[in-house]
Amino acid sequence: KAGVTQTPRYLIKTRGQQVTLSCSPISGHRSVSWYQQTPGQGLQFLFEYFSETQRNKGNFPGRFSGRQFSNSRSEMNVSTLELGDSALYLCASKPGLDTDTQYFGPGTRLTVL
Amino acid sequence: DQQVKQNSPSLSVQEGRISILNCDYTNSMFDYFLWYKKYPAEGPTFLISISSIKDKNEDGRFTVFLNKSAKHLSLHIVPSQPGDSAVYFCAASSTDSWGKLQFGAGTQVVVTP
Repeated sequence: KAGVTQTPRYLIKTRGQQVTLSCSPISGHRSVSWYQQTPGQGLQFLFEYFSETQRNKGNFPGRFSGRQFSNSRSEMNVSTLELGDSALYLCASKPGLDTDTQYFGPGTRLTVL
Repeated sequence: DQQVKQNSPSLSVQEGRISILNCDYTNSMFDYFLWYKKYPAEGPTFLISISSIKDKNEDGRFTVFLNKSAKHLSLHIVPSQPGDSAVYFCAASSTDSWGKLQFGAGTQVVVTP
């Protein structure tokens, strides 16, 4: 089975722009979670989607949003980028709601200049 | 508020010896715990998990111990191999918010020949 894939792998944007990151979960997995990793804050939960519905949300401003499609693929969007949004954005998937073992993709490295 | 803590930022161990990584948590609602390994520029790789109804889980060279009364878990790697050199993250979740993993800050393990 192919693992979690994320595109693009690297991205450079400037302050004020917006960005969309994409995640394709492992085949058959219906839950997708997003995390942000920074040197200062570590790995922090952004949100989780299951069956196209957001189930959980972390403590991030409204500039961070996401969605999930009927094929379980997910996107996250960050609007009005700030320098502090520079981070590794990780997507993780799991089969459903009866486990919390999540499998991570390689991440998207976002740099905001 | 850091609810999952890994107080040792680094650990050096000789090849063939045991590596012991520690993790403490403060939220008594956590009932599922996981360990991940992470190489630079890659996503975390799932290693092993344990439910709060157990106190030990073993998978090959990896064993996780859970002490609920002390709110403490540990990961034992025996024997340690050079390929084990990576950052190890402890994570926790609770049934009422599955999908949202809370991570410790990580422990950098270096296995020396």
